[in-house]
Amino acid sequence: AQKITQTQPGMFVQEKEAVTLDCTYDTSDQSYGLFWYKQPSSGEMIFLIYQGSYDEQNATEGRYSLNFQKARKSANLVISASQLGDSAMYFCAMRERGTGNQFYFGTGTSLTVIP
Amino acid sequence: ETGVTQSPTHLIKTRGQQVTLRCSSQSGHNTVSWYQQALGQGPQFIFQYYREEENGRGNFPPRFSGLQFPNYSSELNVNALELDDSALYLCASSPPQRGLARSSYNEQFFGPGTRLTVL
Repeated sequence: AQKITQTQPGMFVQEKEAVTLDCTYDTSDQSYGLFWYKQPSSGEMIFLIYQGSYDEQNATEGRYSLNFQKARKSANLVISASQLGDSAMYFCAMRERGTGNQFYFGTGTSLTVIP
Repeated sequence: ETGVTQSPTHLIKTRGQQVTLRCSSQSGHNTVSWYQQALGQGPQFIFQYYREEENGRGNFPPRFSGLQFPNYSSELNVNALELDDSALYLCASSPPQRGLARSSYNEQFFGPGTRLTVL
């Protein structure tokens, strides 16, 4: 089974609107971390936001927020007030305490912001 | 503070050849992980090095090997290159583990990657 599933290969959003990128995960570990990364066409992975499995509040970082629904095993990324520079690939990733050091990445969602 | 750097930026090899990719970790980071990202896919974990020893490995054959040096920089070596090895190779460094936090958080900082093409 896939550890991380991103079901939206491509998304479009109007500039200044909000957009939600979906991510579901699969783990039997009680302790894990969920991450979102942005990858522009240049290739570098840019860390956006983190949510720990024991964190009771949803993580927020500026215009990014993570909608964490533990029972559903989902960790959706919400980008508010989209900007043209947000156009990129977005990857959801997970790290489990049980598997130590390995990050599992999803297949990504390509976001295009329309002026 | 210098971020994670990788060299070379691009590389073209032929089947059967060997290649060495290099990564310099961010200052203060003692852990380096390597990932392979095929076109249109997410990164796949190859292995991680911590204090000069392999500290976890993904589902990659032994012809993928690595080293970490005392200054925490790292090399990824791939022998007997195959066409499917064509990919973006990403290096990520991590700071020392944060205590005994209940979560497994340990952020990684990625380099710009090396794009390998095997002909």
